Amino acid sequence: QQQVKQSPQSLIVQKGGIPIINCAYENTAFDYFPWYQQFPGKGPALLIAIRPDVSEKKEGRFTISFNKSAKQFSLHIMDSQPGDSATYFCAAKEGAGSYQLTFGKGTKLSVIP
Amino acid sequence: EAQVTQNPRYLITVTGKKLTVTCSQNMNHEYMSWYRQDPGLGLRQIYYSMNVEVTDKGDVPEGYKVSRKEKRNFPLILESPSPNQTSLYFCASSERQGPTFGRNNEQFFGPGTRLTVL
Repeated sequence: QQQVKQSPQSLIVQKGGIPIINCAYENTAFDYFPWYQQFPGKGPALLIAIRPDVSEKKEGRFTISFNKSAKQFSLHIMDSQPGDSATYFCAAKEGAGSYQLTFGKGTKLSVIP
Repeated sequence: EAQVTQNPRYLITVTGKKLTVTCSQNMNHEYMSWYRQDPGLGLRQIYYSMNVEVTDKGDVPEGYKVSRKEKRNFPLILESPSPNQTSLYFCASSERQGPTFGRNNEQFFGPGTRLTVL
């Protein structure tokens, strides 16, 4: 059973566009929702994260929107650049004291000039 | 420099030949984990370790072994590799969750090991 569902699988946008990647979860015990960014040939790296007690978090051009009632969260990339081309993974962690991350299947983003 | 290192980065082997992929972190992290990444399947956890001598199965542990004799090292062992273990493997580590959320929960990933089993 896939606990974190991510869509779309791939996404192509033009430079300056606003790609949106969506994730949905079922487990209400999840309490931490990070996004990881992975460039080709590299390991994933933490991009931005949010707790369920806030509805939005912004860091630079990256914004997480969180809808607790719908059990959904999304990543928005403002003014996207070719350098943002990467694979993005959403994830979720369950409860205090847990280290376990459950990852979505990833979205390959291509930003074309 | 704080980092997670993996060796080797690339490995081609044959079915049944035992191999070990090493993982080491220099951040004094308690938690370490192994993932495999396959196209369309994302990151799936193989094994994890909460501390020295404490390991547990993840989602896809079959065919793998791990050990955690020292805090910094967490090797992944394939006793008898098979072609379905051809994959990209990542080691990750994390510090204990702090009193506030945020980057305290960050998992730091190694650069990956691309394994091909013929």
